[in-house]
Amino acid sequence: ETGVTQTPRHLVMGMTNKKSLKCEQHLGHNAMYWYKQSAKKPLELMFVYSLEERVENNSVPSRFSPECPNSSHLFLHLHTLQPEDSALYLCASSQALAGGGHRELFFGEGSRLTVL
Amino acid sequence: DQQVKQNSPSLSVQEGRISILNCDYTNSMFDYFLWYKKYPAEGPTFLISISSIKDKNEDGRFTVFLNKSAKHLSLHIVPSQPGDSAVYFCAASAAFLGGSQGNLIFGKGTKLSVKP
Repeated sequence: ETGVTQTPRHLVMGMTNKKSLKCEQHLGHNAMYWYKQSAKKPLELMFVYSLEERVENNSVPSRFSPECPNSSHLFLHLHTLQPEDSALYLCASSQALAGGGHRELFFGEGSRLTVL
Repeated sequence: DQQVKQNSPSLSVQEGRISILNCDYTNSMFDYFLWYKKYPAEGPTFLISISSIKDKNEDGRFTVFLNKSAKHLSLHIVPSQPGDSAVYFCAASAAFLGGSQGNLIFGKGTKLSVKP
């Protein structure tokens, strides 16, 4: 069992649906992340929250909307997605270093999203 | 342009022999390097890391070597076991830069197959 839990593990949605992915970390970390993993591509950083404040948004389309209500929970709200958004979405957490930077990320098992 | 490159998408090794996975990077500001291992349908798990002040770090069967002048690192697994079959991701970060540069930058991964 990892210290980062993601639900649901699998999600199939139509292009007009609204759904959310949920992530919870039990490691006492102060930073949380959403990554996207598509076939034959590097892990792509989508969003970073440090101390519940969004500090990174890597030009992600507005149909993806993150929410971090506290340091242990992170959501990714999905709305009017496209088939090319089908991918594995990974949540991770870490302890941000004083002065900037991060070290080891601890990943959840991912949410496999299929957009029809 | 990719800052972290794993040029071999796959590697096949016989059980008991050495596995060598390679990673090249372009940003000389990176000061911390990590290897992650990923099984199908699971999130990546941290394996081993190395700071730029070192050239070698060893943990059991896993050793990471860093050649800063060549901007190259490698992961050695010896002896290789069938359970080591997974995708291995190289990642790098530059802590003191902070912001997006302080986050982990991943390579595309190398799929290792260890045959009995």
